[in-house]
Formats: sequence, structure tokens, C-alpha cells
Amino acid sequence: EPEVTQTPSHQVTQMGQEVILRCVPISNHLYFYWYRQILGQKVEFLVSFYNNEISEKSEIFDDQFSVERPDGSNFTLKIRSTKLEDSAMYFCASMDRGTEQYFGPGTRLTVT
Amino acid sequence: ELKVEQNPLFLSMQEGKNYTIYCNYSTTSDRLYWYRQDPGKSLESLFVLLSNGAVKQEGRLMASLDTKARLSTLHITAAVHDLSATYFCAVDRANTDKLIFGTGTRLQVFP
Repeated sequence: EPEVTQTPSHQVTQMGQEVILRCVPISNHLYFYWYRQILGQKVEFLVSFYNNEISEKSEIFDDQFSVERPDGSNFTLKIRSTKLEDSAMYFCASMDRGTEQYFGPGTRLTVT
Repeated sequence: ELKVEQNPLFLSMQEGKNYTIYCNYSTTSDRLYWYRQDPGKSLESLFVLLSNGAVKQEGRLMASLDTKARLSTLHITAAVHDLSATYFCAVDRANTDKLIFGTGTRLQVFP
């Protein structure tokens, strides 16, 4: 069964460093998303992406964040200068038109 | 701004007992979802509810949707330890695909 994959599973970085989280959505899906979950809290929407552009973003998704679909398969989330409060689990999701979102296993980001 | 609230936040229940988790949302929504999350893991889709009066059942879990009351319930029948997890509801709307999640209900089932 097709699934969303994410790498790495765990990323440790120092404050101020740039990180890139990678996702491979399900191959025929057209809509892509990033969510984050701070430990012990609810899941929060960050950004949605369709047709090679951002379709919606939350107030969390400030200038430090960017997304890209550099080729036909990967979907990346970049954080330019990480802060301690960026430590969270980041989930990628993808969706075909009119269906539900499928979530990847997540990347645990730890900023020290 | 669409808001989603769940209660209770934490539920400790004995095996064999029944209980219900409630999910309220603030404005009209197209679809309501229930997810299960085990510690440190991803979100496992349990149910997608599309219309008023929708009821879905899988094993010991049953979900229902009342769009007029803006309320969904997740009913647990004869709980077993394997159901211990955190359960989230989430909603989306017609003009946006983003999911707004509830606060989650951490369920602990003990013998």
C-alpha cells in the first residue's frame, strides 16, 4: 500500500542552524501539507501546497519557514534559523483530489 | 476562526467499560476525522464522517456526527488495553483543506 515517507526520523540541530525536513508524498497525490506537534500538544497546521505554490499558511509559518517541491517526488520544509521553540514533531501529509490526507511517520526535530 | 474542542482531555478507564469522547467545533465544517496516535508515532486514520447523522463502526469504536449541533462522538465499547492511545478529532472546510485538530483525549485503559 502506498505511504508517505519522511526523512530523517530524528534531527538534532543547534539553535540558529538551518534544517531541511524531507517528505516523499504518495506518488499520484496533488496536495501536500506540513503540520507540527509540540510534545504533548495538539497537531497544528503549518502550510498547504498545490500546483507548485503555497495555497494556505498559518501564522506559525513565518519568514523562517519555506517549502519546496524540488522535483517530482520530494516535498521539503526548510527552517532557516532554528529556535528552541521549533522543537517538535513535524508531519508531512498528502492528498488526492477529494480524498483524505495521509500522514507520514513524522520527523522529530530537537533544537539545542 | 474554526475551533475544535475535545473532552475529556484525559480518560482513565477500566477494561470492559464503555465511554464516550466528545468533539465540538465552532463553525460549519465539511468533514470530520478521528485519528489515533500512539506515543511518538504518527496519526492513524480511524474514521471520516461526511454528513449529518453519519455513523461508522470499527471493532470497539463507533463514531457519529451531528452537524447541526457541531458535535461528533467517539464511543468506546468494552474497552481493552490495546485501545490505550491519544485520540484526536479534526475538521476541514469547503474552501480550505487544512485540518484543524482538537486538543486530543489521552485514553488509558487499565485491567
